[in-house]
Amino acid sequence: GQNIDQPTEMTATEGAIVQINCTYQTSGFNGLFWYQQHAGEAPTFLSYNVLDGLEEKGRFSSFLSRSKGYSYLLLKELQMKDSASYLCAVSNQAGTALIFGKGTTLSVSS
Amino acid sequence: EAGVAQSPRYKIIEKRQSVAFWCNPISGHATLYWYQQILGQGPKLLIQFQNNGVVDDSQLPKDRFSAERLKGVDSTLKIQPAKLEDSAVYLCASSLAEGTRAYEQYFGPGTRLTVT
Repeated sequence: GQNIDQPTEMTATEGAIVQINCTYQTSGFNGLFWYQQHAGEAPTFLSYNVLDGLEEKGRFSSFLSRSKGYSYLLLKELQMKDSASYLCAVSNQAGTALIFGKGTTLSVSS
Repeated sequence: EAGVAQSPRYKIIEKRQSVAFWCNPISGHATLYWYQQILGQGPKLLIQFQNNGVVDDSQLPKDRFSAERLKGVDSTLKIQPAKLEDSAVYLCASSLAEGTRAYEQYFGPGTRLTVT
C-alpha cells in the first residue's frame, strides 16, 4: 500500500530552526516533494528530491534517504510568515499524480 | 505568467443537489489534475488528464463525480448528487507533460464546497 507519515503539529519560535520529518512507503518512487500551504490557500511548491542528499534553497533545505524511505524539511531563521501547513508528497511514477501526507501544521510564535 | 484559475471560490449546496467546478490551467500545461482536500488532510487525486485524455481516474467516485477536458485546455468537475462527505476543497493543478520541470505541479486557489 501507499503510506506517508508526518507529524500533525509542531511549534517553534521566531529565529529558530525546525525540522519536519516525513517517512514514506510507496509502490514506486520518482521523487519526493514538499509543499507549503497557508490556511485557505493553494499549496505552493518548495522542493523536489529524487536523489539521496540535501538540497538547499535559501532558508529551506530538504533531505532524502531513499533506502530509509525518509525525508525532512529544514526551516532556518523562522519567521511568523512561515506559520503554515507543510505537505510531504511522493510521486511513485513519472508523469503521475502526487500522493500526499496529511500535512504538518507549523505555528511560529514571537 | 498567469496561474491556474478556478471558479467559483466558494459554494454552498444542500445534499442531493448538483454542483460544477471550473479550472483553467497554466497555458501550455498539458497535464491537469483534480484533487480533493478534506479538512485536516492532504490533497487526494480524483482524476488526471493529459491533453483531453484521462490518465488516472481510479479514485474518482464515478457514481456521482464526472470530469471532462474536451478541448485539452480547461476542465470541469461535476458532482451529482452531492453528499455531506463531499464537503472539501477541490484543487486543480497543472504541469508540463515533459521536460526537466515536468514534475512541478502548480495549484489553483481551490473551490471550497460545503454540503449541508
